[in-house]
Amino acid sequence: EAQVTQNPRYLITVTGKKLTVTCSQNMNHEYMSWYRQDPGLGLRQIYYSMNVEVTDKGDVPEGYKVSRKEKRNFPLILESPSPNQTSLYFCASSSPTQVGSYEQYFGPGTRLTVT
Amino acid sequence: AQSVAQPEDQVNVAEGNPLTVKCTYSVSGNPYLFWYVQYPNRGLQFLLKYITGDNLVKGSYGFEAEFNKSQTSFHLKKPSALVSDSALYFCAVRGAGSYQLTFGKGTKLSVIP
Repeated sequence: EAQVTQNPRYLITVTGKKLTVTCSQNMNHEYMSWYRQDPGLGLRQIYYSMNVEVTDKGDVPEGYKVSRKEKRNFPLILESPSPNQTSLYFCASSSPTQVGSYEQYFGPGTRLTVT
Repeated sequence: AQSVAQPEDQVNVAEGNPLTVKCTYSVSGNPYLFWYVQYPNRGLQFLLKYITGDNLVKGSYGFEAEFNKSQTSFHLKKPSALVSDSALYFCAVRGAGSYQLTFGKGTKLSVIP
C-alpha cells in the first residue's frame, strides 16, 4: 500500500530535550516536506526537500533541522524544543514532475507537546 | 509569492442542501489548485485538483470545484451535503514554476441533520 508513515504519532517532551520525528514514504517520491498545523493558522511549511541531499527552508524553519540521506526518509529534528513548538506535524511527499500527479500525500500526523 | 485565502472560518449547511466552500488564490503564472479534507484526528486526504483543461473538476465523495481564472477562485461544491461531510477543508495552490504548496487556513464545514 502506498503510504507516508510518521513516528511517533504522539510525543510529550520537556523543553530542551532533543527529539526526532521520522517520516518515510514508499512511493519513490522525489519531493518531501514537513508542515505544522496550528489552530487558525492552517498548515505552514517548515522544510522541504527536492531530492536526496537537497533541502530548503519553508515558511517557518526556525528551531528545526532536517536531513535527506535516503530518498524514502525525511526526519525532522528539534535540537532544543520549546513550548511554542507544541503543534501537530505532518510529513508529505509527491512527485511534482510526474504528469497527471502533483498532489501531495500526507502522513497521519505527529502531535507534539513540549512542556 | 503565492497565497491562498479561505474567507470563511466556518460554513454551516443543512443536510441535503448544496454546499460551497470558497477559495481564492494568488500565484505567478498558471496555478495548480488542490482541495484537501481533514477529518477529526486524521491526516489530510486529497479530494481533487485542477491542473489544466476543463474548469469544472470532479473529485472524491461527490465533490467538485470550479476554476475561475478571471476571479482567481477555486470554490469547492457539492450538490447535496451529508452529515459525514463535516470536516475541515483546505485549499492549496502551487505555481507552475514552483514545487511548494501553499495552504489556506482552512474552513470548518458543519452539516446539520
